[in-house]
Amino acid sequence: DTAVSQTPKYLVTQMGNDKSIKCEQNLGHDTMYWYKQDSKKFLKIMFSYNNKELIINETVPNRFSPKSPDKAHLNLHINSLELGDSAVYFCASSHWAGKGTDTQYFGPGTRLTVL
Amino acid sequence: KNQVEQSPQSLIILEGKNCTLQCNYTVSPFSNLRWYKQDTGRGPVSLTIMTFSENTKSNGRYTATLDADTKQSSLHITASQLSDSASYICVVSADNAGNMLTFGGGTRLMVKP
Repeated sequence: DTAVSQTPKYLVTQMGNDKSIKCEQNLGHDTMYWYKQDSKKFLKIMFSYNNKELIINETVPNRFSPKSPDKAHLNLHINSLELGDSAVYFCASSHWAGKGTDTQYFGPGTRLTVL
Repeated sequence: KNQVEQSPQSLIILEGKNCTLQCNYTVSPFSNLRWYKQDTGRGPVSLTIMTFSENTKSNGRYTATLDADTKQSSLHITASQLSDSASYICVVSADNAGNMLTFGGGTRLMVKP
């Protein structure tokens, strides 16, 4: 199946732990994103990578570190997890369009719960 | 500050009826506006994308309109089906922001039989 996939789908962990979420796309896109959807359902951009280079880095704590080993993968590592990190994290990908007109395709989301 | 506001927050309609969802934005300079459908527990799926020069775009039973002067958009759903039950999210991109999008909070639509 051509798609954006994320693992795991659910992640429950204790405060203070370090965890990673993986994302892969086989759509041939050169740009990938991480979004956070909070309890009020607002989606906010966290990071964007184009051809493995960081192009958007919103005001995100440095406990969050994205890693792009190649154009098809963008993983998110989170250190010292806090209660406020509980949310649904979405990965997305698109072709790079400078004016932002290209469709972004979203993964199914990873629901992170920090206890 | 770029913002996107949607109304209503939630809506319940009967199967077969039409409905219209609203989106107001303050994103500037405007590049394009998108409507996404997000089913519960899934990622958003794009329905339409409109640039400044487009004032209407259809995708099956979904028709989006854009008034760039008043900075308003609407999504009209015709002959609703149970599968239309989802959140509908209005997303606006600024002209100087590359692929960075500002998301509205969504309208949660429930279609009842």
